[in-house]
Amino acid sequence: GESVGLHLPTLSVQEGDNSIINCAYSNSASDYFIWYKQESGKGPQFIIDIRSNMDKRQGQRVTVLLNKTVKHLSLQIAATQPGDSAVYFCAENAGGTSYGKLTFGQGTILTVHP
Amino acid sequence: DGGITQSPKYLFRKEGQNVTLSCEQNLNHDAMYWYRQDPGQGLRLIYYSQIVNDFQKGDIAEGYSVSREKKESFPLTVTSAQKNPTAFYLCASSPLTSGELAKNIQYFGAGTRLSVL
Repeated sequence: GESVGLHLPTLSVQEGDNSIINCAYSNSASDYFIWYKQESGKGPQFIIDIRSNMDKRQGQRVTVLLNKTVKHLSLQIAATQPGDSAVYFCAENAGGTSYGKLTFGQGTILTVHP
Repeated sequence: DGGITQSPKYLFRKEGQNVTLSCEQNLNHDAMYWYRQDPGQGLRLIYYSQIVNDFQKGDIAEGYSVSREKKESFPLTVTSAQKNPTAFYLCASSPLTSGELAKNIQYFGAGTRLSVL
């Protein structure tokens, strides 16, 4: 059902710290996951993706971990910078006839203090 | 300069008026999508199209209509039947909708903010 008036989870960190943003997904059939970053007033930008046959994938300063047992996804950002401040969304694709469609999570607000 | 272009950036709708939001992509992507984003919430799928002249309803299609007459264009009309249209509207596209999973990555435009006068 629709949730109205939700407050997004927030994470505040100091510049240079590592950040961990979590996401729980509900569809055990989902076989592909993406993390997006959305800055204020802009569209989401792709950060990193992971397939369900993997449990970890690393990019530049970012790592995504997937735990299928508990249906949990996390995004780790190393040496967080003020430019990393944004809303971060996880998205899942259920595959099969749902290929191409993404279901987005609620989002987490990351604030990085200088 | 390749990408997804949404216009206008800001749009105002009067009571009982239909308004159309433009979305154009020059990425040669097969699939295009429209999402609605309300403050403090995630993205909700309105409509999507996997091929020219075909489209499917998403989770919140009521009060909206789309067309896909050209591969590069997927305009969204917010009709007068949509009683609460104030939101941030995002258009996205992806290369393919089957096959390699990486083709499911959706690339987004900068959005259109719609308000009611």
